[in-house]
Amino acid sequence: GAVVSQHPSRVICKSGTSVKIECRSLDFQATTMFWYRQFPKQSLMLMATSNEGSKATYEQGVEKDKFLINHASLTLSTLTVTSAHPEDSSFYICSALERPGLAGGPLSGNEQFFGPGTRLTVL
Amino acid sequence: LAKTTQPISMDSYEGQEVNITCSHNNIATNDYITWYQQFPSQGPRFIIQGYKTKVTNEVASLFIPADRKSSTLSLPRVSLSDTAVYYCLVGESHNQGGKLIFGQGTELSVKP
Repeated sequence: GAVVSQHPSRVICKSGTSVKIECRSLDFQATTMFWYRQFPKQSLMLMATSNEGSKATYEQGVEKDKFLINHASLTLSTLTVTSAHPEDSSFYICSALERPGLAGGPLSGNEQFFGPGTRLTVL
Repeated sequence: LAKTTQPISMDSYEGQEVNITCSHNNIATNDYITWYQQFPSQGPRFIIQGYKTKVTNEVASLFIPADRKSSTLSLPRVSLSDTAVYYCLVGESHNQGGKLIFGQGTELSVKP
């Protein structure tokens, strides 16, 4: 099946620093990737939709200058948390949507393939 | 996007069948119904997806009535490893972008 990886799986940083999280589709091409944030005991909250070669679309209330998203290739999207603060500590999860008609994988309706998540702790 | 309502939590015992019902009264014509499973500190895992009637795979069944305003995820003979949060989502078809919004989910606890 389709595999999505995230790196790092866990990161601890000091307040004020920036952290980059990578999301990769390993065996398929993903023109669209999504970024979610999940606080303890809560549901996943969609932050932004990342389209290859274009600017990301952010959900209401998500600061685009704080959460920089780059989707430079069909297999990689990155989320950079700039000037991180303790309230940014959370579980960040990406997902990738395979587009039908592209080489390298089966059609899958609107199934999204999720990464394993990245635990960010800001001290 | 259609909003979903699920029970916050459910308890079960090993070997029982578990049915989790989700309400989605405002589902749109093009929306699919998808269920995900999430273990702590892991990304969600796709379980099953359907559009209408009944869908069955190796892990679950999904029952969708004709009006599509609700759906029921059925897990046959659960085990301790099925303890997780189960999310019901409705979303646009793949050629609309596949944007999915997660609701609160149902925390299933399977006891020995």
